[in-house]
Amino acid sequence: EVQLVESGGGLVQPGGSLRLSCAASGFTFSSYEMNWVRQAPGKGLEWVSYISSSGNTVYYADSVKGRFTISRDNTKNSLYLQMNSLRAEDTALYYCARVASGKYYSEWGQGTLVTVSS
Amino acid sequence: DIQMTQSPSTLSASVGDRVTITCRASQSISSWLAWYQQKPGKAPKLLIYKASSVESGVPSRFSGSGSGTEFTLTISSLQPDDFATYYCQQYNSYWTFGQGTKVEIK
Repeated sequence: EVQLVESGGGLVQPGGSLRLSCAASGFTFSSYEMNWVRQAPGKGLEWVSYISSSGNTVYYADSVKGRFTISRDNTKNSLYLQMNSLRAEDTALYYCARVASGKYYSEWGQGTLVTVSS
Repeated sequence: DIQMTQSPSTLSASVGDRVTITCRASQSISSWLAWYQQKPGKAPKLLIYKASSVESGVPSRFSGSGSGTEFTLTISSLQPDDFATYYCQQYNSYWTFGQGTKVEIK
């Protein structure tokens, strides 16, 4: 069974940093591209970042470019999101999502909540 | 950037109704469109990909159609389990979601 389990969320002050993790199991992690997607409380879904299966190619939404860094460790079946210079508008539930060969999202984790507030 | 616009934002319907949700792209995305269902407190679930391909395990009452800039998700006979929020997503160029359509009980 495919499982994606996010962790690392919490309460952080504006300007602070946080590192999210996504532990993958039930599939060959190194063969799949991965994304981070977020959802602000009561709002819709927003793509945040993409990483290729090897980790060599990454993309970011304009709203996080220069502040967030996506990475992965295929030896540990793990995906990461380093978030710096956090703002109130980054407050959201952050999901990791597995990208199918067709580029849509075939599997999602349950999310980890990030709250940016003083 | 490609923008996705869903309509309506909220839809009130009864069990057994035929329901249609529309999604429009700001430029052509061919058939690179997916539909997801999200229930409160849960992660989104893939229903449809490539505009009209139904994901394995998804009930046959769900169908998708369209290409280019206009797409629809149809539920042929609404069931109690279908009351949820539905999102379209383009994956032609990066990824963009529509704002969501909440299907509520009439």
